[in-house]
This record gives sequence, structure tokens and C-alpha cells, in this order.
Amino acid sequence: GENVEQHPSTLSVQEGDSAVIKCTYSDSASNYFPWYKQELGKRPQLIIDIRSNVGEKKDQRIAVTLNKTAKHFSLHITETQPEDSAVYFCAARFDGNEKLTFGTGTRLTIIP
Amino acid sequence: DGGITQSPKYLFRKEGQNVTLSCEQNLNHDAMYWYRQDPGQGLRLIYYSQIVNDFQKGDIAEGYSVSREKKESFPLTVTSAQKNPTAFYLCASTPDRANTDTQYFGPGTRLTVL
Repeated sequence: GENVEQHPSTLSVQEGDSAVIKCTYSDSASNYFPWYKQELGKRPQLIIDIRSNVGEKKDQRIAVTLNKTAKHFSLHITETQPEDSAVYFCAARFDGNEKLTFGTGTRLTIIP
Repeated sequence: DGGITQSPKYLFRKEGQNVTLSCEQNLNHDAMYWYRQDPGQGLRLIYYSQIVNDFQKGDIAEGYSVSREKKESFPLTVTSAQKNPTAFYLCASTPDRANTDTQYFGPGTRLTVL
């Protein structure tokens, strides 16, 4: 089955600096890669996603890059702000599969 | 954040008791999912249902049961056979079988076994 590894498990970044979280996946047929943000005590919410036919996608301060050859994808947050503090989860989906496989999460802390 | 609700928010159970967690959605979504969240382990799929009266086991179904008698509702029962049920439980839904990209999550239920 699909396996998704996520690193680092915790990340502290000075406000204004950039944060990068990386995930690797095992199934080369995976074609959809979303990122979810979960604030303390709240539900996960989709913040950005990318499909396997695209190498990079950007939405304001957030970007995701995908390297299909190496089977990894990364979340980039620039100009970090205190409200970016949360747990971030990556996920992957194998083509034709209804299920998402999630990474173990990264707790991001923005230091004022 | 509306559209998918879970109740109760907190639930306490004595060992040996079954307990049912509620998940309701008014998004007219076909597919619904139950996840378990433990610290450091991400989200693990328990059960999912693509259509009414049909459901499939996820990766950690042992000790759990579900039903899907109505499109809007997908309750999860944590049975006494579940060895370590204390966790945060999240329900999610997606529009249909062909559109499972964005999963919409409920607010979660935190279950504690006393």
C-alpha cells in the first residue's frame, strides 16, 4: 500500500522567515497531493494541493513543489506569520483509489 | 466550516462499554470517512463509505463498526474490542466517488476511556 513519510516532525521558524516541510511517497502511481493545516483544537483544512502533471503551484505565501522522479513533494511558506503556527499534514492518493494516505504531521511554530 | 458536524465534542467511556460517535453532513456528499488521530501518527483511516448501505474497511478497522443507512449520516461505534480507543476521531466527506480530492472534515470528537 501507499506510504507517506513527512519531515520534520517539529519546526520552529522566526517570524518573517520561510518554512519548508517535505514528504516522500512510495507509490509511483500516486497522482494527487494535498496539504492540510490543523490549528490547535480545530479540524484539518485543505490549504493547497497539486496533481502529478504539475511541478509547482503557488497561492500567495504558500507553494507546493512536486518531484515525480524522486517521489517527493514539499510545502513552502514564505514571510511566515504567527497565524501560520499549526500542524501541517501532507497526503497522497493513488490513481483510482478513493483513499488518501496521510503523513504523520509537522508542528510548525512561528517565533515572534 | 459548516456542513459537517460531529457530536459529542468530548466523550468519556468506561472500559468494556461500546460507544457511538455521530457524524452528519448537509453537503449532499456521497462519500464519508472516519479517521483516528493520535499524537505523532497523523490521520489513519478506520472506515469509509462511498454510497448509502455500503462501506469498506480502512487501515485500522478492528474494534470499530459503522453504518450508512442515510446519505447524511455515518455513525461510528467504538466497541469494547478496540484495545486502545482513547484518541481524537475525525469524520470527513467528499462530493462523490469520482471527486474525492478535497476532504471536508468535521470538528472531531475526543474520546477518553476511563
